[in-house]
Amino acid sequence: RKEVEQDPGPFNVPEGATVAFNCTYSNSASQSFFWYRQDCRKEPKLLMSVYSSGNEDGRFTAQLNRASQYISLLIRDSKLSDSATYLCVVNGGPRAAGNKLTFGGGTRVLVKP
Amino acid sequence: DAGVTQSPTHLIKTRGQQVTLRCSPKSGHDTVSWYQQALGQGPQFIFQYYEEEERQRGNFPDRFSGHQFPNYSSELNVNALLLGDSALYLCASSPLGVATGEAFFGQGTRLTVV
Repeated sequence: RKEVEQDPGPFNVPEGATVAFNCTYSNSASQSFFWYRQDCRKEPKLLMSVYSSGNEDGRFTAQLNRASQYISLLIRDSKLSDSATYLCVVNGGPRAAGNKLTFGGGTRVLVKP
Repeated sequence: DAGVTQSPTHLIKTRGQQVTLRCSPKSGHDTVSWYQQALGQGPQFIFQYYEEEERQRGNFPDRFSGHQFPNYSSELNVNALLLGDSALYLCASSPLGVATGEAFFGQGTRLTVV
């Protein structure tokens, strides 16, 4: 079983619509959680951190369910520029050791006019 | 402020050869991690360097080795290349002890083994 699992998609989304997708993680000791965005043939970039209480950043909402070990991302009012691969990331390393990020395989989102 | 820079951007090697990839971290960052991203997959952690030592290692064979220099820059070496080593190799830098999860990635080196 992979440590972080995601639906690869693609999720075909009409412009202006809402899309949501999840990922699951296997290590219950994982400490911090993130969504990264990766455009085609580019490097991953941090989209947002994910907190237990849920958090929003503009049109993006992330939630964490530790009991069920899943993380979600919701995108409202989708823009064409939201087309990308969204990577679910778990940081399981102890704080003293810095970042050892475990990535899911990514969920591809295609926003269409 | 320069971000993470990697060189070369593209590379073609033959099976059995050796390759060295280079990375300069973001200014102020002292920790460098390397990731391998195969086509259609998420990045996989190879190893992490801090204070010129390998601090953590992922599930990669000993053919993958690295080095960190006093100026925090780093190299990734892969010996006895296999076709399956073809991938995008990403370097990420971060400050140690700040496990924010925000690793800054370079643009990557795309390695093709033929």
